[in-house]
Amino acid sequence: DQQVKQNSPSLSVQEGRISILNCDYTNSMFDYFLWYKKYPAEGPTFLISISSIKDKNEDGRFTVFLNKSAKHLSLHIVPSQPGDSAVYFCAAKISTNAGKSTFGDGTTLTVKP
Amino acid sequence: NAGVTQTPKFRVLKTGQSMTLLCAQDMNHEYMYWYRQDPGMGLRLIHYSVGEGTTAKGEVPDGYNVSRLKKQNFLLGLESAAPSQTSVYFCASSYELANYNEQFFGPGTRLTVL
Repeated sequence: DQQVKQNSPSLSVQEGRISILNCDYTNSMFDYFLWYKKYPAEGPTFLISISSIKDKNEDGRFTVFLNKSAKHLSLHIVPSQPGDSAVYFCAAKISTNAGKSTFGDGTTLTVKP
Repeated sequence: NAGVTQTPKFRVLKTGQSMTLLCAQDMNHEYMYWYRQDPGMGLRLIHYSVGEGTTAKGEVPDGYNVSRLKKQNFLLGLESAAPSQTSVYFCASSYELANYNEQFFGPGTRLTVL
């Protein structure tokens, strides 16, 4: 049973518009969530995170929203840029569990100029 | 700082052959992880280590062994490679207080088993 799901394998947006990537989870023990970005032939790199005690975290053009009751989080990118084109992975942790993360399958974002 | 490095970058094996993937990090991180990524899927944890000399099983440990003899190195071994182990392997590391910290990933090793 997949505990972290990203139901949209791909997303295409126009440059300058908002990109919204979604992630759902099933394990209520998860209390820390992260987004990673991955370019082809590279390893994932950390983008932004949020603790379960918050419902929003913002870092420049990137904002992550957490809805605990719905077990749903989303990543907003505003404005989107062509360099944002990559695969985005949602990850979730239980904070007492050796730092291990459970990853979603990823969403490929394409930002068109 | 080089961050997390992986050796080799590419490898082709025949079924039944063995090999070792090497991961090294220069950030003095306590925790290290090995993941595999298959097409269209996320990263799945194979094994992990919370410190020198300790290892533990992850989500998909069968067919793999690991060792953490030095804090900076984490080795992943395949004793008898199978086509199902064709994948991209990523190593990652994180600080000891990893509960609220991100992982730093290496560039990956693309392994093909014929």
